[in-house]
Order: sequence, then structure tokens, then C-alpha cells
Amino acid sequence: DGGITQSPKYLFRKEGQNVTLSCEQNLNHDAMYWYRQDPGQGLRLIYYSQIVNDFQKGDIAEGYSVSREKKESFPLTVTSAQKNPTAFYLCASSPPQGGRTEAFFGQGTRLTVV
Amino acid sequence: SQQGEEDPQALSIQEGENATMNCSYKTSINNLQWYRQNSGRGLVHLILIRSNEREKHSGRLRVTLDTSKKSSSLLITASRAADTASYFCATGLASGGGADGLTFGKGTHLIIQP
Repeated sequence: DGGITQSPKYLFRKEGQNVTLSCEQNLNHDAMYWYRQDPGQGLRLIYYSQIVNDFQKGDIAEGYSVSREKKESFPLTVTSAQKNPTAFYLCASSPPQGGRTEAFFGQGTRLTVV
Repeated sequence: SQQGEEDPQALSIQEGENATMNCSYKTSINNLQWYRQNSGRGLVHLILIRSNEREKHSGRLRVTLDTSKKSSSLLITASRAADTASYFCATGLASGGGADGLTFGKGTHLIIQP
């Protein structure tokens, strides 16, 4: 089945730890995105990538890092510099020029700081 | 930054009634899309309407777009309990070629009472 897979579904982080969220897609999409969603809020763009080995900061990139070594993978690291990381994280992919086409979303990772 | 604003923030109706939700945006767009999110899940694409279109239908969904007022509406006819979800509008900007993806509003939470 084609789709986009995020793991894990739930993640707990201690203060001061870095954690990495996985996002894999087999849709052969060039573009991939990471969004953050807080309760009752919309989605805010963290990072996006249009091509392998290239990525751009979104609106709230501080405290996060990404890599795009393979077309199908776009992992997100939440670093200790992110002061309020508890949130629901959504990964999406689309054909090139993602603002012109439908986006496909994973099921999300809920990150909680303990 | 969040471009779209949905209205109302929450809507509760009886099963079988029609549900209407609105979205307003600020800058020129290439297209506007509507997504559905069930609690704790990823977003699912519903419909895309381009800036040169005024109305579009898909099953029980009807979307209108008024670029002069920078607004859109989503109508769900003959609502069902399974339509209970949050609904988000997302815009693809006219400038920038779409590389930075979509900008989402905060959503309308729709509850269908049986």
C-alpha cells in the first residue's frame, strides 16, 4: 500500500534530551513537510524539503533539525533547545510545488515531555 | 504564519442536517483546499478548488470560493455521525511557486448529534 508512515505513535522525552521522529513515504513524492499541531490549533510549518539533501526552515524551525538523505525519508529531531516540545507532530508529502497540489499526511506522533 | 481562519470554531448539528463552515484568508492564492482530521489522527484531503474556479462538488461536499472577498465555504449535506471531525482549510499561495507548501487555519470542530 502506498502511503506515509510516522513512528512512533507516542513518544516521551525527558527534559534536556534530543528525540528523533521518523517519517517515511513510498509515494515517490519529491516534497516533504513537518508540521506541529497544538491543542485546538491549526498546523504550523516547521521544515520542508523539495529535494534530497536540501531543506528549508518553516515558520517555527527554532529548536528543531531535519535531514533529507533519501527521497523517501525525512526525520525530524526535536532538540533540547526546543523549550515547549509537547505537541502533535505531522509529516506530509506531495508532488513538487506542494502548495499547488494535495498533501498526504501520516498519522502523527504525539510527543510528551515528562 | 497562519493565513486561513475558519468560522465557526465549533459547530454542533443533528444528524441529517447540513453543515456549513467558512474560511477567510489574507493574501492571493493559487488554490484552497479542505482537509478533515479525526481526533488524534492525520489529515485527510477532501477537495481542492483553484483560484479560477467558483464552485466544486464531491459527493456530499460542496465548496465555494470568492476571491474578491478572500473567502471559501464548505457545505456538507445530509450529515452523518461519521462526519464528526475537525475541518481545516489550507491555502497555496499565488507567489513562490508552491515550494513552501500549504498554510493551514485553526479549524472548525464539527459534532454531529445522533
